[in-house]
Amino acid sequence: GENVEQHPSTLSVQEGDSAVIKCTYSDSASNYFPWYKQELGKGPQLIIDIRSNVGEKKDQRIAVTLNKTAKHFSLHITETQPEDSAVYFCAASPMDSSYKLIFGSGTRLLVRP
Amino acid sequence: DTEVTQTPKHLVMGMTNKKSLKCEQHMGHRAMYWYKQKAKKPPELMFVYSYEKLSINESVPSRFSPECPNSSLLNLHLHALQPEDSALYLCASSQEGRGDYEQYFGPGTRLTVT
Repeated sequence: GENVEQHPSTLSVQEGDSAVIKCTYSDSASNYFPWYKQELGKGPQLIIDIRSNVGEKKDQRIAVTLNKTAKHFSLHITETQPEDSAVYFCAASPMDSSYKLIFGSGTRLLVRP
Repeated sequence: DTEVTQTPKHLVMGMTNKKSLKCEQHMGHRAMYWYKQKAKKPPELMFVYSYEKLSINESVPSRFSPECPNSSLLNLHLHALQPEDSALYLCASSQEGRGDYEQYFGPGTRLTVT
């Protein structure tokens, strides 16, 4: 079955710097890759996603890139702000009948003011 | 509007109690999910309802009993829980019951079993 690995587990950056979180997946048939942001005491919030027919997607300060050959995808946050501090989860959706999202283990991002 | 609501926000229950968690969405989604999340871990899928029918049960113990009264509502009935069941219980919904549709999560119910 699909396996998603996420790195790093923790990331500390200075406000204004960029942050990059990377995920790799094992099932080459996976076709949908969402990213979730979870703030303390809240549910995960879908912040951006990408499908396998697209290599890059951007939404203001957030971008996601997908390399199907290498089976990895990354979240890029530019001009980080303290409110970006949260846990970020990547996920992959394999093309099987499980109907499941397979989550990475999460990255705790701390933006230092 | 991409809002999923959950009640209660917090719940403390004893091991002999019976309680229910509730979830509601008004996005016209036909799939609804229950996830369990332990501290510092990703959400773990428990159940999927698609068109008001249970389509996935991830081998969850019978002390957790899901119910989908209609396409907008999802309940999780709890009975004879164990302390290790203490966790954040998340509800989510999507347009269809497939992993490649956007899933929107509620804020969760923080459950403590004493």
